[in-house]
Amino acid sequence: DAGITQSPRHKVTETGTPVTLRCHQTENHRYMYWYRQDPGHGLRLIHYSYGVKDTDKGEVSDGYSVSRSKTEDFLLTLESATSSQTSVYFCAISDSFYGYTFGSGTRLTVV
Amino acid sequence: QQQVKQSPQSLIVQKGGIPIINCAYENTAFDYFPWYQQFPGKGPALLIAIRPDVSEKKEGRFTISFNKSAKQFSLHIMDSQPGDSATYFCAARGTGSARQLTFGSGTQLTVLP
Repeated sequence: DAGITQSPRHKVTETGTPVTLRCHQTENHRYMYWYRQDPGHGLRLIHYSYGVKDTDKGEVSDGYSVSRSKTEDFLLTLESATSSQTSVYFCAISDSFYGYTFGSGTRLTVV
Repeated sequence: QQQVKQSPQSLIVQKGGIPIINCAYENTAFDYFPWYQQFPGKGPALLIAIRPDVSEKKEGRFTISFNKSAKQFSLHIMDSQPGDSATYFCAARGTGSARQLTFGSGTQLTVLP
C-alpha cells in the first residue's frame, strides 16, 4: 500500500528466538498501530503509538514490545517467539482519525 | 472481551444478490463505524464508514444501515459481483487518546458467477 511498508513479508523462526517486524511510513502520520489477524478473531490490537516514543498496550500485548524512535518507523518485537504468535501481522497508520491505512502484512510462522 | 460482534462468519450469494453483513457493539462510547474490505494476501482497505448521528450511508453499491438504539449496524452490497468476493470487517472507533479501532471477526463473502 502506498506510503506504508512492512518488512519482512514472510518469516519463519524457531521457538524462543527474538523477532522484530518493521513498519515504515512516508505519510508523516502521527498514529501507528500493530494488529494481528487470526481466523475467527478478526484483527486484534497489539500495541499502538500516538507519537515518537509515545506507545501503549492494546488488547493482546503480552509477549510483545514496541518502539518508535522516529515518526516514520514503528517496530514490533517478539522477545521470545512462541507458536501461539504464529499469525499475520498488520501495521496501520492514521492521521485524521477517519480511517486507517494498512500495510500488506507480515506472515510469521513460529516452529 | 470482543466488543464488536459480526455475523455471519461466511456468506455465499449468486451474482446480483444482496449480501447483508451484521455487526453489534457494546460500548456506547464508539463514535465512528467503518467497514473494511480485504482481498487474499492484502491488507484491509477502507470501504465505507458512518457516524452514529446518521441512519444510512450509500457509496455506489455499498450501503451502511445504522441503528443507534439497538447498537447495530450492517453492510448491504447491491448487485453483488464476483469481484466483491473478499473478507469484510466491521469496526468501531473508541474515544481514547489514539482513537483505536476495534474490529469484528470478519465475514468471508463469496459471490458466485
